[in-house]
Amino acid sequence: DGGITQSPKYLFRKEGQNVTLSCEQNLNHDAMYWYRQDPGQGLRLIYYSQIVNDFQKGDIAEGYSVSREKKESFPLTVTSAQKNPTAFYLCASRPGQKNQPQHFGDGTRLSIL
Amino acid sequence: AQSVTQPDIHITVSEGASLELRCNYSYGATPYLFWYVQSPGQGLQLLLKYFSGDTLVQGIKGFEAEFKRSQSSFNLRKPSVHWSDAAEYFCAVGADNAGNMLTFGGGTRLMVKP
Repeated sequence: DGGITQSPKYLFRKEGQNVTLSCEQNLNHDAMYWYRQDPGQGLRLIYYSQIVNDFQKGDIAEGYSVSREKKESFPLTVTSAQKNPTAFYLCASRPGQKNQPQHFGDGTRLSIL
Repeated sequence: AQSVTQPDIHITVSEGASLELRCNYSYGATPYLFWYVQSPGQGLQLLLKYFSGDTLVQGIKGFEAEFKRSQSSFNLRKPSVHWSDAAEYFCAVGADNAGNMLTFGGGTRLMVKP
């Protein structure tokens, strides 16, 4: 089955630690995205990538980093510089053609210990 | 800058009743509009999308939405709600530019009474 796999589903971080959230897709999609969702709020864009080895900052990139070394993979690192990392993180992807919507993974919930 | 407003944070309807969720957007050009649904602890599922053409679009699970340019609205409707429709609904606006970045509304949580 084709889809977007985010792992782990739940993640706990100690203060001062970096953590990496995984996002893998086997849909052969060109573009990939990371969003953050806080309770009672909509999604906010962290980073996106339209092509391998290229990515751009979204609205709330501070304290986060990404890489896009393979088309299938777009990992997100939450660094210790992110002061309020507790949130639900969603990864999405879409084909490169016009008129195509984004498709979402099932998310990773990150909490601070 | 584009923006999306979903005026209703919570809506409660009885099972079998009709439903309308409101969405207003601000965008400088012709928008691309989407409705997504999210069950607790899950990702977002696409209900329907509008890119161009017929302003009344049909989606999955019996949902439809109407694009009204004059009102900058894209309201979601369903004639008869089922208990399984209880979830959070998000409206989003985007552009089919190189990034296809989406701007989301704050969401509307739908509760269904038996």
